[in-house]
Amino acid sequence: KQEVTQIPAALSVPEGENLVLNCSFTDSAIYNLQWFRQDPGKGLTSLLLIQSSQREQTSGRLNASLDKSSGRSTLYIAASQPGDSATYLCAVQTGANSKLTFGKGITLSVRP
Amino acid sequence: NAGVTQTPKFQVLKTGQSMTLQCAQDMNHEYMSWYRQDPGMGLRLIHYSVGAGITDQGEVPNGYNVSRSTTEDFPLRLLSAAPSQTSVYFCASSRLRNTEAFFGQGTRLTVV
Repeated sequence: KQEVTQIPAALSVPEGENLVLNCSFTDSAIYNLQWFRQDPGKGLTSLLLIQSSQREQTSGRLNASLDKSSGRSTLYIAASQPGDSATYLCAVQTGANSKLTFGKGITLSVRP
Repeated sequence: NAGVTQTPKFQVLKTGQSMTLQCAQDMNHEYMSWYRQDPGMGLRLIHYSVGAGITDQGEVPNGYNVSRSTTEDFPLRLLSAAPSQTSVYFCASSRLRNTEAFFGQGTRLTVV
């Protein structure tokens, strides 16, 4: 059974800091890995999708990497801003039914 | 482009009542799914569909029914609500396999 772990559960950093959010998964037979952002009381917004054949994806200040063999992904946020405060979830897609398995998320707080 | 639309946004039910959570997408996606999100548990898959007329169970299907009569709509029915079904429910859609998943804004359900 695929399991996705995100540690720590919460993180607080000062504005301007570069930071890395970690995600690990137990079964390397994935189609892709997706990072989402969730604001309080809101839905999930897709940030980056990395295919299993790719090593990284970039969007603006965000860069996500994937090491499938070791079961790890990182989300790098450059020059963090208070507006980046949210919960960040990673999910891996596996199986013929395209099921997404989620981590429990990392709640990020960026202090002004 | 509306994306994935869920209604209602909030609902309070009494134990034993039934109701239907609505989900519609306008992206012509084959794959649609329902998740519930509970504190400390992350998102868990309830039911999913790979196309009109095809549905299957996820991790936590008990107490819920689904049907998929059209590509656009994927309603989730609670047959006899229980307090354990108090949760936030998210609908998602994607093209089959290896593609980005899009989520609705969620339905916050309280069963008293």
